[in-house]
Amino acid sequence: GNSVTQMEGPVTLSEEAFLTINCTYTATGYPSLFWYVQYPGEGLQLLLKATKADDKGSNKGFEATYRKETTSFHLEKGSVQVSDSAVYFCALSRPPNNDYKLSFGAGTTVTVRA
Amino acid sequence: NAGVTQTPKFQVLKTGQSMTLQCAQDMNHEYMSWYRQDPGMGLRLIHYSVGAGITDQGEVPNGYNVSRSTTEDFPLRLLSAAPSQTSVYFCASSYSSQNYGYTFGSGTRLTVV
Repeated sequence: GNSVTQMEGPVTLSEEAFLTINCTYTATGYPSLFWYVQYPGEGLQLLLKATKADDKGSNKGFEATYRKETTSFHLEKGSVQVSDSAVYFCALSRPPNNDYKLSFGAGTTVTVRA
Repeated sequence: NAGVTQTPKFQVLKTGQSMTLQCAQDMNHEYMSWYRQDPGMGLRLIHYSVGAGITDQGEVPNGYNVSRSTTEDFPLRLLSAAPSQTSVYFCASSYSSQNYGYTFGSGTRLTVV
């Protein structure tokens, strides 16, 4: 079956530090990959996505590259801010057959200190 | 543009009570899903729907029912609440998870005592 494994948190960083959150997946075929972010007390928001191998998703200074050879989709940001404190979820959906279901990782809590 | 609206935001139930969590979207999305979020477990799919009149079970469907009589609404019913159903519930909708990703509601925090 499909599965997503994320690095365990929590992760605590100082402002302007470099952030990386590892994500690897198991799936047949060519899944689409997503990063979602959940700010305190809110629902999940789509942060970025990649739908085929070697695609790079980017948004709000975050980036992730779809690496099929290593089945990975690691999230990175070069200089974090306090406002980046949130829970980050890696997720996949698996084609073909219009499989619309998302499989999520367990989430990584990130806290950025001023 | 309201997106995905969930009600209520908070609810406390006694064991054995029933209730319905409401979910509505105004984006004309075909796909709608219910997830529950528990610490350390990410989000797990309860039920989903690919269109009006069509529903199916996800990973953890036991104790929950759904129906989809319109494109806009996808209520989740707890038949007889149990403490194990204490969780945060999210409704989500999408044209297609492949290219657009899902839009999530703000969640319902349910406590069963």
